[in-house]
Amino acid sequence: DGGITQSPKYLFRKEGQNVTLSCEQNLNHDAMYWYRQDPGQGLRLIYYSQIVNDFQKGDIAEGYSVSREKKESFPLTVTSAQKNPTAFYLCASSMALAKNIQYFGAGTRLSVL
Amino acid sequence: AQKITQTQPGMFVQEKEAVTLDCTYDTSDPSYGLFWYKQPSSGEMIFLIYQGSYDQQNATEGRYSLNFQKARKSANLVISASQLGDSAMYFCAMREGRNYGGSQGNLIFGKGTKLSVKP
Repeated sequence: DGGITQSPKYLFRKEGQNVTLSCEQNLNHDAMYWYRQDPGQGLRLIYYSQIVNDFQKGDIAEGYSVSREKKESFPLTVTSAQKNPTAFYLCASSMALAKNIQYFGAGTRLSVL
Repeated sequence: AQKITQTQPGMFVQEKEAVTLDCTYDTSDPSYGLFWYKQPSSGEMIFLIYQGSYDQQNATEGRYSLNFQKARKSANLVISASQLGDSAMYFCAMREGRNYGGSQGNLIFGKGTKLSVKP
């Protein structure tokens, strides 16, 4: 089945630690996105990538980093510089054409120990 | 100013009845797209329906329809014959500009409406 796989489902970060969230898609989509969702809020864009080896900062990129070495994969690293990382993280992908309907993974819930 | 406004933090509807979830948007771009997503308690965002700014007719997808009033800049979601499984958060989102890549392709989300369907 085609879709977007995020792992792990739950992640715990210690003080000063970097952690990486995985996002893989087999939809052959060109564009991929990372969003952050805080309780009672909508989604805010962290980073996006329209093509392999290229990515752009979104609205809240500080304290995060990404890479796009393969079309299928768009991992997000939450660095120690992100002082308030506790949130729900959602990855999405789209064809980057016309309607740009974004399809989402099941999310990763990150908490700080 | 907020680009997407959802004024109903929570809504209740009786099973089998119809419900309207409000969404207003703000843009000066003549080309834009409007989206509705459903987020159940599991967390995944599920795409429901899309309306383009140049579409002449209101979009429909099964029990979902989008009441698009361009002059009023509103894009309300109508769910007919509500089911218990419709209980979830619902988010309205907008994409500005033609999606030829770059930031114009990104979605701007509202804060959502929590819908509860009563048996």
